[in-house]
Amino acid sequence: GESVGLHLPTLSVQEGDNSIINCAYSNSASDYFIWYKQESGKGPQFIIDIRSNMDKRQGQRVTVLLNKTVKHLSLQIAATQPGDSAVYFCADSPPGYSTLTFGKGTMLLVSP
Amino acid sequence: GAVVSQHPSRVICKSGTSVKIECRSLDFQATTMFWYRQFPKQSLMLMATSNEGSKATYEQGVEKDKFLINHASLTLSTLTVTSAHPEDSSFYICSAVATAGTNYGYTFGSGTRLTVV
Repeated sequence: GESVGLHLPTLSVQEGDNSIINCAYSNSASDYFIWYKQESGKGPQFIIDIRSNMDKRQGQRVTVLLNKTVKHLSLQIAATQPGDSAVYFCADSPPGYSTLTFGKGTMLLVSP
Repeated sequence: GAVVSQHPSRVICKSGTSVKIECRSLDFQATTMFWYRQFPKQSLMLMATSNEGSKATYEQGVEKDKFLINHASLTLSTLTVTSAHPEDSSFYICSAVATAGTNYGYTFGSGTRLTVV
């Protein structure tokens, strides 16, 4: 992800809506990208990952899209639920499981 | 699946004392472990990378004499905050990468909330 900022963007949605969280990364050498969910006071929880040879990957209710041309990553959450409320981070890594760089994070708030 | 245990989850210490945080990979061997620091409403900032049996590599601006990292075995890395000050209060998180032959990728601990009073 890009360098850390001091303000956490917030996305507020209604339960049942689809959510889209965006992320930009800066390292053109990165070939592995991960989305994490972090609840208050806990460590990051793996959601979904994608390698640079793909541009889309789907999981259960989640889809990650990768645009290497503009170094952009997005996470789509279908039928968002209150339990999805958390902070979401993208992270990228160059080859070889070396440094994992985290993006700024987005707080997702889901209203019932 | 891969599990990383981090202990303690919370610690309060007095200024000037040292605090040790442990990070264990429970069901896999970790060649590399990472230590992160996270301030409220901010992202995770990498502090250092530790490889089993060798010295840790610290990120720019991180004092190696203040944040001592030991990775003595393939399942344990420790971070010691020495002579802690209130500004060291933060959420510290470790991550482990399995040795070759697995597909575990990065696995994170549950974090340690350090409060220095």
